[in-house]
Amino acid sequence: EAQVTQNPRYLITVTGKKLTVTCSQNMNHEYMSWYRQDPGLGLRQIYYSMNVEVTDKGDVPEGYKVSRKEKRNFPLILESPSPNQTSLYFCASSFGGSYQPQHFGDGTRLSIL
Amino acid sequence: SQELEQSPQSLIVQEGKNLTINCTSSKTLYGLYWYKQKYGEGLIFLMMLQKGGEEKSHEKITAKLDEKKQQSSLHITASQPSHAGIYLCGAGSYDKIIFGKGTRLHILP
Repeated sequence: EAQVTQNPRYLITVTGKKLTVTCSQNMNHEYMSWYRQDPGLGLRQIYYSMNVEVTDKGDVPEGYKVSRKEKRNFPLILESPSPNQTSLYFCASSFGGSYQPQHFGDGTRLSIL
Repeated sequence: SQELEQSPQSLIVQEGKNLTINCTSSKTLYGLYWYKQKYGEGLIFLMMLQKGGEEKSHEKITAKLDEKKQQSSLHITASQPSHAGIYLCGAGSYDKIIFGKGTRLHILP
């Protein structure tokens, strides 16, 4: 089954404790990206990757890091999480880049205390 | 930078009624997609529109892209409880992807 898998689905942690949210897709997609969804602000792109070893900033990259060492994986790293990073996070992928429909994961609800 | 504005922000309709959601872009669209999201869950792709004047339908949902490719509408005919959720329009903007803020749809039985 074609899917984008995020882990964990839920996480409560404390300020400053490094965390990683994993994202894996099994569709051989080149394009992968991360979003955060906040009430009143909608869905905003954090980082995206056009292919292996190619990553770039989206609209809200501050406080986040990503890496793309393999085509299928695109982890989101919060080196020193802060409460303003409490949000619902989504990973997505597509075959043809930003002008093609994205396949979304089920989301990760992150709470930073 | 390009922006997508959706209207209305929220919509409450009686079951069986028709409704329309709009998405307006600040720049020409080169592909506009519609998604549906159940509250707190992932996004499900509905339809993609690329050509000016294009119209697509899936079950009771019809989406259109205007000739100037700056506005799209999503129309639901004879709404059902299963249509409830958040509808988002999205578009590619060079290598980035942008979304409207979404329209929350509630269906009253």
